[in-house]
Amino acid sequence: GAGVSQSPSNKVTEKGKDVELRCDPISGHTALYWYRQSLGQGLEFLIYFQGNSAPDKSGLPSDRFSAERTGGSVSTLTIQRTQQEDSAVYLCASSLWAGDLGELFFGEGSRLTVL
Amino acid sequence: AQKVTQAQTEISVVEKEDVTLDCVYETRDTTYYLFWYKQPPSGELVFLIRRNSFDEQNEISGRYSWNFQKSTSSFNFTITASQVVDSAVYFCALSEAYNQGGKLIFGQGTELSVKP
Repeated sequence: GAGVSQSPSNKVTEKGKDVELRCDPISGHTALYWYRQSLGQGLEFLIYFQGNSAPDKSGLPSDRFSAERTGGSVSTLTIQRTQQEDSAVYLCASSLWAGDLGELFFGEGSRLTVL
Repeated sequence: AQKVTQAQTEISVVEKEDVTLDCVYETRDTTYYLFWYKQPPSGELVFLIRRNSFDEQNEISGRYSWNFQKSTSSFNFTITASQVVDSAVYFCALSEAYNQGGKLIFGQGTELSVKP
């Protein structure tokens, strides 16, 4: 597609369940980023990939959060045993390559609500 | 530690007014990049500008202009003759060159409302 695609756009889950959020970056973009946007914390960096490697995972809030990227394209963010504080909009972005420090192209986000 | 502060949480103006959004940053690095992003109601963050720490020239793009002052660690954004379509949340962000990954530190955002 022309832009960064994220799915699902909305997800409601019960506390304790696992969720998977998917990001399909712009074709040809080798760098992929996950951010979280919540009312209390603003926009927080979670993790980024250059190709299939994740050089910086420093923003993942706990070991319940993990992400992978295969084939240098699609990425999945997994949250295990969800908690209410995980409720947020999860934003994915991509760029040509991480070292370029250029424009990031963002998707519309996946809104997660944990009941 | 790196930090970005946008002191204005919300701003409301009437169409055609000029408005300035403030951004103050903190970093120990000498090489860094500053950004502004726009988030309209659709939710998708849109890149507006990137500036590196060695280029203090002000920039103008149509009705948008940016004032970068290292002496005050500020990177302010002015919209001239605002329009209703400018209504959005605007984020200032910082990236330090050492991390090489383009990891952005965002401010809390300023919600701009332009009324007709």
